[in-house]
Amino acid sequence: AQSVTQLGSHVSVSEGALVLLRCNYSSSVPPYLFWYVQYPNQGLQLLLKYTTGATLVKGINGFEAEFKKSETSFHLTKPSAHMSDAAEYFCAATGGGNKLTFGTGTQLKVEL
Amino acid sequence: GAVVSQHPSRVICKSGTSVKIECRSLDFQATTMFWYRQFPKQSLMLMATSNEGSKATYEQGVEKDKFLINHASLTLSTLTVTSAHPEDSSFYICSAPTTGNTEAFFGQGTRLTVV
Repeated sequence: AQSVTQLGSHVSVSEGALVLLRCNYSSSVPPYLFWYVQYPNQGLQLLLKYTTGATLVKGINGFEAEFKKSETSFHLTKPSAHMSDAAEYFCAATGGGNKLTFGTGTQLKVEL
Repeated sequence: GAVVSQHPSRVICKSGTSVKIECRSLDFQATTMFWYRQFPKQSLMLMATSNEGSKATYEQGVEKDKFLINHASLTLSTLTVTSAHPEDSSFYICSAPTTGNTEAFFGQGTRLTVV
């Protein structure tokens, strides 16, 4: 069975500081990996995804993530946080067929 | 990118009544759609997989007679919460994969409140 673990249900950073949201997966086969962002009472918006190829993936809004097979990780980063980045972030994985397994989510707070 | 439209965005209903939620793929055909439920401050949990022209596949613990799913066309799946109770209050989200299944697009979600 596949599982996704997000360390830290709440992360708080100062505006302009580095954002690091952690995600680890367990899978018997190399998965497809995703990061989604959710604003209050809205659906999910795809930030970025890893399927095959380059392990450093760049997404929208300045976010990027690196697939590290040896560490079974797919951490999300952004060099400089902006107030508009405050939201809930979900890491997800699928082994195919598009049935996603989600992590428990990380609430990002950006402070002045 | 592809667009998935979900309606209504909010609904309040009385206990014992039924509520229908629609999920449409606006610019692509989706033979499969997924329905998720999200309780406050929790992650998304897959409820069922909706298959066009055939029966839905439900995840363990999800009552198929309570959460009726119909996928009548390649662009529309509906979830009907029957005999709703306050504990069914939640945020319901649908998604549809694109061709090649490398990405899923999500609807805007439906906030259901049963009073």
